[in-house]
Amino acid sequence: SQKIEQNSEALNIQEGKTATLTCNYTNYSPAYLQWYRQDPGRGPVFLLLIRENEKEKRKERLKVTFDTTLKQSLFHITASQPADSATYLCALETGTASKLTFGTGTRLQVTL
Amino acid sequence: DARVTQTPRHKVTEMGQEVTMRCQPILGHNTVFWYRQTMMQGLELLAYFRNRAPLDDSGMPKDRFSAEMPDATLATLKIQPSEPRDSAVYFCASERASGIGTDTQYFGPGTRLTVL
Repeated sequence: SQKIEQNSEALNIQEGKTATLTCNYTNYSPAYLQWYRQDPGRGPVFLLLIRENEKEKRKERLKVTFDTTLKQSLFHITASQPADSATYLCALETGTASKLTFGTGTRLQVTL
Repeated sequence: DARVTQTPRHKVTEMGQEVTMRCQPILGHNTVFWYRQTMMQGLELLAYFRNRAPLDDSGMPKDRFSAEMPDATLATLKIQPSEPRDSAVYFCASERASGIGTDTQYFGPGTRLTVL
């Protein structure tokens, strides 16, 4: 069966450290993968997109890697801040015409 | 600051009642998505439209759910009759599809539905 797995346990890290979130998938061959941030009571907000032929993408303190052999994407936040505390969702392109399938998300808590 | 709007933000209803949720996509966006989010299942795609035509509604229970786009500025999701298991947050999202498949979806604030 097709699955997208993200760490179900919350990730707690100290301010200033690098947070690394994992997205693993099986039985998909996505052309691209996206990462979204979701705050409590709000809808997800797009952060980054990475294509299957790209190994790495960066945006300010964010970095995403995409390994199509391992079927895994890693999402890094460097120099993390309490304001980075949120749930982070990965989403795979899983069909034609913009269709995305989302992982269940990982909650990140950054403490002082 | 263009954004997707959804109404109502909260809805509490009794089992068996009809529920209608509305979404106004960002002006100029040609694709509209309906998602449902629960703790157990996460964010699930129910249905989506491009240029007001339904593209995929395979995620939607057909017997009680229906989705429509009466015009380019309004999408509706209806549940009739509602059941307690429909309790969830329903999100609408829109995007301007470029045809190359790497577009960004913009989500609304959601409708929190509670069916008693």
